[in-house]
Amino acid sequence: DAGVIQSPRHEVTEMGQEVTLRCKPISGHDYLFWYRQTMMRGLELLIYFNNNVPIDDSGMPEDRFSAKMPNASFSTLKIQPSEPRDSAVYFCASNQGDYGYTFGSGTRLTVV
Amino acid sequence: AQTVTQSQPEMSVQEAETVTLSCTYDTSESNYYLFWYKQPPSRQMILVIRQEAYKQQNATENRFSVNFQKAAKSFSLKISDSQLGDTAMYFCASETSGSRLTFGEGTQLTVNP
Repeated sequence: DAGVIQSPRHEVTEMGQEVTLRCKPISGHDYLFWYRQTMMRGLELLIYFNNNVPIDDSGMPEDRFSAKMPNASFSTLKIQPSEPRDSAVYFCASNQGDYGYTFGSGTRLTVV
Repeated sequence: AQTVTQSQPEMSVQEAETVTLSCTYDTSESNYYLFWYKQPPSRQMILVIRQEAYKQQNATENRFSVNFQKAAKSFSLKISDSQLGDTAMYFCASETSGSRLTFGEGTQLTVNP
């Protein structure tokens, strides 16, 4: 398996633009997570899905953020409109059972 | 809510020596899992070791081992025979019901030649 695949690896965008981050989890993993990593706040859970259904989105910072999982092999995290304070590394991870998560390589987002 | 605390922001060790990274956690769950993740400069999050709370035996993976003290809610990571490739940020994490992971602040470990 190729692991959890995230795209793009880097994204630079202007304030106010829409940003879409993509994730393909490991086949057969029924949990998918979106995390954000910043120097100030560390690793924060934004939202997670179980069997494509959002279970907890309490970590989503505000209405500008939305996430979808239309099928078991694809998820998106969208920010609209983007702001400079959204600059961070965004990780997607998947999991089956309690062995531990497998993380993607992350997307470094810079909003200028 | 779960909390995970790593009180050592930075540590350094000489190559081939042993180093221990500390972690404490707080949870009301009776069944949970604990993890150590490594994040090298490449930023990839890599699972180092996993401990099931109901198991008394400390987990070991090659040069990596843990000291799990359930009553004290302590979960330290020992790295033996440190190698230059061990230089990374290390995160302690706990997993609650529903499979969510809560991370500590991280410890930056530098292995010096």
